[in-house]
Amino acid sequence: GAGVSQSPSNKVTEKGKDVELRCDPISGHTALYWYRQRLGQGLEFLIYFQGNSAPDKSGLPSDRFSAERTGESVSTLTIQRTQQEDSAVYLCASSLAGTSVGETQYFGPGTRLLVL
Amino acid sequence: AQRVTQPEKLLSVFKGAPVELKCNYSYSGSPELFWYVQYSRQRLQLLLRHISRESIKGFTADLNKGETSFHLKKPFAQEEDSAMYYCAPPRGNKLVFGAGTILRVKS
Repeated sequence: GAGVSQSPSNKVTEKGKDVELRCDPISGHTALYWYRQRLGQGLEFLIYFQGNSAPDKSGLPSDRFSAERTGESVSTLTIQRTQQEDSAVYLCASSLAGTSVGETQYFGPGTRLLVL
Repeated sequence: AQRVTQPEKLLSVFKGAPVELKCNYSYSGSPELFWYVQYSRQRLQLLLRHISRESIKGFTADLNKGETSFHLKKPFAQEEDSAMYYCAPPRGNKLVFGAGTILRVKS
């Protein structure tokens, strides 16, 4: 079956513009995660959705970042008034239930964002 | 707070040599630990998890609670093992990734 997909694969924007990144999880996966990977650094957790529960937003770096998820399907990560330090690869992952510690997460190919 | 440290950014070995990718964690309680791998031009994917005690592609990882380590080992490195490796203990349902270690296996 299809894996996690993300779009666009690459995005170049100007400082101050808003961007929207999209993630399509694996069908049937109730848990969805967003991570960020800056150049030369490890993955940084941003936000986590699980079913109809309130999302865990503890990793969002500022109020310019927000994310939504419609039911158990598509999620969009929005970055408002982008800054150069937002340049990174944004990775989305999904897992089956998200209720057990250490459930395998399946990653998308990522969106490479460059803010000029 | 749970932290994970991968002290080496780059590990370069010759084909056939043993490999050990280090991972140290700070954790309260009994940790579940994972290794994720990203091969060139491929997605990040699970390599192995501590709880299943399995060997994947010849790699094993032993949880040492006394040293709080979860090093990844392989007795004989292959060129196709060249990749970025991440140690990732979960915090709740989230993964806390280390900074990663690039493994380069030279012929």
